[in-house]
Amino acid sequence: DGGITQSPKYLFRKEGQNVTLSCEQNLNHDAMYWYRQDPGQGLRLIYYSQIVNDFQKGDIAEGYSVSREKKESFPLTVTSAQKNPTAFYLCASNLQGLYNSPLHFGNGTRLTVT
Amino acid sequence: AQKITQTQPGMFVQEKEAVTLDCTYDTSDPSYGLFWYKQPSSGEMIFLIYQGSYDQQNATEGRYSLNFQKARKSANLVISASQLGDSAMYFCAMREFEISGGSNYKLTFGKGTLLTVNP
Repeated sequence: DGGITQSPKYLFRKEGQNVTLSCEQNLNHDAMYWYRQDPGQGLRLIYYSQIVNDFQKGDIAEGYSVSREKKESFPLTVTSAQKNPTAFYLCASNLQGLYNSPLHFGNGTRLTVT
Repeated sequence: AQKITQTQPGMFVQEKEAVTLDCTYDTSDPSYGLFWYKQPSSGEMIFLIYQGSYDQQNATEGRYSLNFQKARKSANLVISASQLGDSAMYFCAMREFEISGGSNYKLTFGKGTLLTVNP
């Protein structure tokens, strides 16, 4: 079955450490996205990529970095510069060129930084 | 200003009854799409229904329907015959086409409504 795989489901890190969240999709989607979810805040866009080797900042990109070396993969690095990294992170993808194309989401990674 | 507003932080409904979850949006783009997602406590986001700004009829998908009032800029989700499994967070989201140059397909989300279905 096609889908989006995020790993790990839970991640614990010490403050000051960088951490990378994995996102892999086998849906053959061109576009991929990273969202952050905090209680009561809904989903906020961190980064997105519409094509391999290209990506754009979303609304809250500070303290995060991404890469898109392969169509299937869009890893997110939470750097030590991110002031409040503890959150639920969701990766998504969709088809380009279809205006009604919904985002397909992974199951998320819950990051806790202490 | 918020692009998507969901004014109900929480809603309660009796099993088998219908419930309406509110969503208002703000855009100057004549071409846009509205999406509703369900997020159970397990965390995954499940796509429910889509409404395009030029669609003449309200969208329906099984027990889900969208009450789309373009002049009021509202796109309320109606769930008929509620089931216990409908208990979840519900998010309204919008995609703007012309503002994004037609190539940017990101969604902007509201803050969500927590629906609880009582037996």
